[in-house]
Amino acid sequence: QSALTQPPSASGSPGQSVTISCTGTSSDVGAYNYVSWYQQHPGQAPKLMIYEVSNRPSGVPDRFSGSKSGNTASLTVSGLQAEDEADYFCYSYAGSDTFVFGTGTKVTVL
Amino acid sequence: EVQLVESGGGLVQPGGSLRLSCAASGFTFSASWMNWVRQAPGKGLVWVSRIKSDGSRTGYADSVKGRFTVSRDNAKNTLYLQIDSLRAEDSAMYYCTRENRVAADSWGQGTLVTVSS
Repeated sequence: QSALTQPPSASGSPGQSVTISCTGTSSDVGAYNYVSWYQQHPGQAPKLMIYEVSNRPSGVPDRFSGSKSGNTASLTVSGLQAEDEADYFCYSYAGSDTFVFGTGTKVTVL
Repeated sequence: EVQLVESGGGLVQPGGSLRLSCAASGFTFSASWMNWVRQAPGKGLVWVSRIKSDGSRTGYADSVKGRFTVSRDNAKNTLYLQIDSLRAEDSAMYYCTRENRVAADSWGQGTLVTVSS
């Protein structure tokens, strides 16, 4: 149950796009289409942004999109806005009723 | 509206025990798989445990297996986490989450556990 690997930080100017990678193994990310992404602002509980690799819950802007290739999933935030500045975590089912989170990425809007 | 309210956290000595609770409302608790997630101060999210809607299946992170026990009372709409043999590294905010489409779609505000002598 090793944490999925994410870059510690990512940044972009308002209006630009930023993509965050999430690398796992053939036992978690590569094995299931059950990757989800969470946004967490300081002092708040996380919020679900993407589920099942690329689906957005109602209320999440379509600026947020997800994809997966092999053992790596990605979250792209297009048209960056100031309120997108937050920590982002990926999460994957890993079989046998277990899950694993990513290490987290701090997104800065320049 | 889905509501998850955790309680039971606090300051405990190493080797001690705590039982965390999560009161659920606004959805059919008895039909929902539930999870516990923790986050040490300034650190990332760590999945802790999962329990099936009827309580018949559970899963644990390797770091807590044998010390933590997840359970539920569907008549009381409440999820529990029994934490034994507490260690300093168990100090964290503990979140209760509802699982939907194999994702944590709802989160409580958390309950803080501090392990210190």
